[in-house]
Amino acid sequence: RKEVEQDPGPFNVPEGATVAFNCTYSNSASQSFFWYRQDCRKEPKLLMSVYSSGNEDGRFTAQLNRASQYISLLIRDSKLSDSATYLCVVNRGGFKTIFGAGTRLFVKA
Amino acid sequence: EAEVAQSPRYKITEKSQAVAFWCDPISGHATLYWYRQILGQGPELLVQFQDESVVDDSQLPKDRFSAERLKGVDSTLKIQPAELGDSAMYLCASSLALGGTYEQYFGPGTRLTVT
Repeated sequence: RKEVEQDPGPFNVPEGATVAFNCTYSNSASQSFFWYRQDCRKEPKLLMSVYSSGNEDGRFTAQLNRASQYISLLIRDSKLSDSATYLCVVNRGGFKTIFGAGTRLFVKA
Repeated sequence: EAEVAQSPRYKITEKSQAVAFWCDPISGHATLYWYRQILGQGPELLVQFQDESVVDDSQLPKDRFSAERLKGVDSTLKIQPAELGDSAMYLCASSLALGGTYEQYFGPGTRLTVT
Protein backbone atom coordinates (compact mmCIF):
# COMPACT_ATOMS: atom_id res chain seq x y z
CA ARG A 1 0.00 0.00 0.00
CA LYS A 2 1.29 3.47 -0.90
CA GLU A 3 1.80 5.97 1.88
CA VAL A 4 -0.29 8.59 0.08
CA GLU A 5 -3.20 7.49 -2.08
CA GLN A 6 -5.54 9.54 -4.23
CA ASP A 7 -8.68 8.98 -6.26
CA PRO A 8 -7.23 7.87 -9.60
CA GLY A 9 -9.68 9.83 -11.78
CA PRO A 10 -9.99 11.13 -14.35
CA PHE A 11 -12.87 13.32 -13.30
CA ASN A 12 -14.82 14.73 -16.23
CA VAL A 13 -17.14 17.56 -15.18
CA PRO A 14 -19.01 20.35 -16.94
CA GLU A 15 -18.21 24.00 -16.33
CA GLY A 16 -19.86 25.27 -13.18
CA ALA A 17 -19.88 21.89 -11.46
CA THR A 18 -18.59 21.19 -7.98
CA VAL A 19 -16.00 18.44 -7.71
CA ALA A 20 -14.23 16.92 -4.72
CA PHE A 21 -11.02 14.92 -4.46
CA ASN A 22 -9.91 12.80 -1.54
CA CYS A 23 -6.47 11.74 -0.44
CA THR A 24 -5.59 9.28 2.31
CA TYR A 25 -2.27 8.93 4.10
CA SER A 26 -1.08 6.00 6.16
CA ASN A 27 1.57 7.50 8.44
CA SER A 28 0.00 9.05 11.53
CA ALA A 29 3.21 11.05 12.12
CA SER A 30 2.47 13.17 9.05
CA GLN A 31 2.49 16.83 9.98
CA SER A 32 1.97 19.05 6.95
CA PHE A 33 -0.38 18.71 4.04
CA PHE A 34 -0.68 20.46 0.70
CA TRP A 35 -2.44 20.39 -2.62
CA TYR A 36 -0.31 21.09 -5.68
CA ARG A 37 -1.56 21.58 -9.21
CA GLN A 38 0.30 20.27 -12.25
CA ASP A 39 -0.63 21.20 -15.80
CA CYS A 40 0.23 18.81 -18.61
CA ARG A 41 4.01 18.58 -19.08
CA LYS A 42 4.59 21.41 -16.61
CA GLU A 43 6.04 21.56 -13.12
CA PRO A 44 3.87 21.25 -9.99
CA LYS A 45 2.81 24.49 -8.32
CA LEU A 46 1.40 24.98 -4.85
CA LEU A 47 -2.37 25.38 -4.87
CA MET A 48 -2.92 25.59 -1.14
CA SER A 49 -1.74 24.36 2.21
CA VAL A 50 -4.18 22.35 4.28
CA TYR A 51 -4.70 23.43 7.87
CA SER A 52 -6.28 21.52 10.70
CA SER A 53 -9.18 23.95 10.85
CA GLY A 54 -9.75 23.74 7.10
CA ASN A 55 -9.13 26.61 4.76
CA GLU A 56 -10.68 28.28 1.77
CA ASP A 57 -9.21 30.24 -1.11
CA GLY A 58 -11.84 31.55 -3.47
CA ARG A 59 -13.50 28.57 -5.13
CA PHE A 60 -11.17 26.08 -3.46
CA THR A 61 -11.69 24.53 -0.02
CA ALA A 62 -9.31 22.13 1.68
CA GLN A 63 -10.12 19.97 4.68
CA LEU A 64 -8.01 17.77 6.93
CA ASN A 65 -9.33 14.88 8.99
CA ARG A 66 -6.52 13.61 11.20
CA ALA A 67 -8.62 10.94 12.89
CA SER A 68 -9.41 9.27 9.57
CA GLN A 69 -6.12 10.34 7.98
CA TYR A 70 -7.42 11.98 4.87
CA ILE A 71 -7.48 15.36 3.22
CA SER A 72 -9.89 16.68 0.67
CA LEU A 73 -10.08 19.39 -1.97
CA LEU A 74 -13.37 20.88 -3.10
CA ILE A 75 -13.60 22.99 -6.24
CA ARG A 76 -16.77 24.98 -6.73
CA ASP A 77 -17.98 26.56 -9.98
CA SER A 78 -15.39 24.70 -12.07
CA LYS A 79 -13.70 26.61 -14.88
CA LEU A 80 -12.09 25.27 -18.03
CA SER A 81 -8.79 26.52 -16.64
CA ASP A 82 -9.12 24.19 -13.65
CA SER A 83 -8.32 21.24 -15.93
CA ALA A 84 -5.10 19.82 -14.52
CA THR A 85 -3.71 17.09 -12.28
CA TYR A 86 -4.10 17.72 -8.56
CA LEU A 87 -1.37 16.28 -6.37
CA CYS A 88 -1.81 15.53 -2.69
CA VAL A 89 1.39 16.13 -0.71
CA VAL A 90 2.20 14.95 2.78
CA ASN A 91 5.24 15.87 4.84
CA ARG A 92 6.47 13.85 7.81
CA GLY A 93 8.19 16.69 9.55
CA GLY A 94 10.86 18.31 7.40
CA PHE A 95 12.76 15.43 5.91
CA LYS A 96 10.19 13.43 4.04
CA THR A 97 7.87 14.82 1.41
CA ILE A 98 5.61 12.35 -0.32
CA PHE A 99 3.48 13.09 -3.35
CA GLY A 100 0.40 11.16 -4.31
CA ALA A 101 0.03 9.92 -7.87
CA GLY A 102 -2.38 12.73 -8.68
CA THR A 103 -5.99 13.02 -9.79
CA ARG A 104 -6.71 14.28 -13.28
CA LEU A 105 -9.54 16.73 -13.76
CA PHE A 106 -11.09 17.64 -17.10
CA VAL A 107 -13.58 20.49 -17.14
CA LYS A 108 -15.68 20.65 -20.29
CA ALA A 109 -17.64 23.51 -21.80
CA GLU B 1 9.48 36.66 -10.01
CA ALA B 2 12.37 34.42 -8.92
CA GLU B 3 12.45 30.99 -10.50
CA VAL B 4 14.25 27.70 -10.19
CA ALA B 5 16.42 27.16 -13.26
CA GLN B 6 17.17 23.76 -14.73
CA SER B 7 19.19 22.62 -17.72
CA PRO B 8 19.01 20.99 -20.10
CA ARG B 9 15.26 20.95 -20.66
CA TYR B 10 15.46 17.81 -22.78
CA LYS B 11 18.09 15.11 -22.99
CA ILE B 12 18.26 12.01 -25.16
CA THR B 13 21.01 9.55 -24.35
CA GLU B 14 21.87 5.97 -25.08
CA LYS B 15 21.87 3.40 -22.31
CA SER B 16 25.18 2.97 -20.53
CA GLN B 17 26.10 6.60 -21.19
CA ALA B 18 26.56 9.22 -18.47
CA VAL B 19 24.16 12.13 -18.12
CA ALA B 20 24.09 15.17 -15.84
CA PHE B 21 21.42 17.66 -14.89
CA TRP B 22 21.91 21.09 -13.37
CA CYS B 23 19.70 23.10 -11.04
CA ASP B 24 19.96 26.64 -9.73
CA PRO B 25 17.47 27.25 -6.91
CA ILE B 26 15.82 30.51 -5.97
CA SER B 27 18.37 32.79 -4.32
CA GLY B 28 18.37 32.41 -0.56
CA HIS B 29 16.64 29.04 -0.54
CA ALA B 30 18.54 26.73 1.76
CA THR B 31 16.74 23.51 0.89
CA LEU B 32 17.01 21.86 -2.51
CA TYR B 33 15.22 18.75 -3.74
CA TRP B 34 15.63 16.44 -6.71
CA TYR B 35 12.58 14.45 -7.79
CA ARG B 36 11.93 11.92 -10.52
CA GLN B 37 8.49 11.81 -12.09
CA ILE B 38 7.39 8.97 -14.34
CA LEU B 39 4.44 9.70 -16.62
CA GLY B 40 1.17 9.16 -14.80
CA GLN B 41 2.75 9.16 -11.36
CA GLY B 42 3.56 11.75 -8.74
CA PRO B 43 7.07 13.07 -8.16
CA GLU B 44 9.31 10.75 -6.15
CA LEU B 45 11.93 12.36 -3.93
CA LEU B 46 15.45 11.25 -4.82
CA VAL B 47 17.60 13.50 -2.66
CA GLN B 48 17.20 16.49 -0.40
CA PHE B 49 19.89 19.02 0.59
CA GLN B 50 20.04 21.50 3.40
CA ASP B 51 22.71 23.95 2.26
CA GLU B 52 25.52 21.65 1.07
CA SER B 53 24.55 18.67 3.24
CA VAL B 54 22.44 15.73 2.20
CA VAL B 55 19.56 15.25 4.64
CA ASP B 56 17.76 12.46 2.79
CA ASP B 57 18.95 10.28 -0.06
CA SER B 58 17.18 7.09 0.95
CA GLN B 59 15.46 6.75 -2.43
CA LEU B 60 18.51 7.58 -4.55
CA PRO B 61 19.86 4.53 -6.45
CA LYS B 62 23.39 5.12 -5.28
CA ASP B 63 24.97 2.52 -7.55
CA ARG B 64 24.32 4.77 -10.52
CA PHE B 65 23.03 8.11 -9.27
CA SER B 66 24.98 10.85 -7.50
CA ALA B 67 24.10 14.35 -6.44
CA GLU B 68 26.09 17.24 -5.10
CA ARG B 69 25.58 20.80 -3.97
CA LEU B 70 29.15 21.79 -3.25
CA LYS B 71 28.74 25.45 -2.28
CA GLY B 72 25.23 25.16 -1.03
CA VAL B 73 23.79 26.95 -4.04
CA ASP B 74 23.41 25.16 -7.37
CA SER B 75 23.30 21.40 -7.68
CA THR B 76 24.11 18.62 -10.13
CA LEU B 77 22.44 15.23 -10.45
CA LYS B 78 24.36 12.58 -12.38
CA ILE B 79 23.41 9.18 -13.72
CA GLN B 80 26.12 6.76 -14.80
CA PRO B 81 25.40 4.48 -16.54
CA ALA B 82 21.92 5.40 -17.72
CA GLU B 83 19.38 2.60 -18.08
CA LEU B 84 16.17 2.44 -20.11
CA GLY B 85 14.13 2.64 -16.90
CA ASP B 86 15.65 6.02 -16.08
CA SER B 87 13.50 7.70 -18.75
CA ALA B 88 11.46 10.23 -16.80
CA MET B 89 11.12 13.89 -15.89
CA TYR B 90 13.71 15.06 -13.38
CA LEU B 91 12.44 17.95 -11.31
CA CYS B 92 14.41 20.24 -9.05
CA ALA B 93 12.69 22.22 -6.31
CA SER B 94 13.79 24.60 -3.60
CA SER B 95 12.29 25.98 -0.42
CA LEU B 96 13.26 28.70 1.96
CA ALA B 97 14.26 26.32 4.74
CA LEU B 98 14.01 22.79 5.99
CA GLY B 99 10.65 22.04 7.45
CA GLY B 100 7.50 20.67 6.04
CA THR B 101 5.56 23.92 6.18
CA TYR B 102 7.55 25.70 3.50
CA GLU B 103 6.28 25.83 -0.06
CA GLN B 104 8.43 24.05 -2.62
CA TYR B 105 9.07 25.91 -5.87
CA PHE B 106 9.75 23.68 -8.85
CA GLY B 107 11.87 24.24 -11.91
CA PRO B 108 10.61 23.33 -15.41
CA GLY B 109 12.30 19.93 -15.25
CA THR B 110 14.60 17.95 -17.51
CA ARG B 111 12.90 15.33 -19.63
CA LEU B 112 15.28 12.39 -20.07
CA THR B 113 14.85 9.74 -22.73
CA VAL B 114 17.19 6.77 -22.65
CA THR B 115 17.35 4.75 -25.88
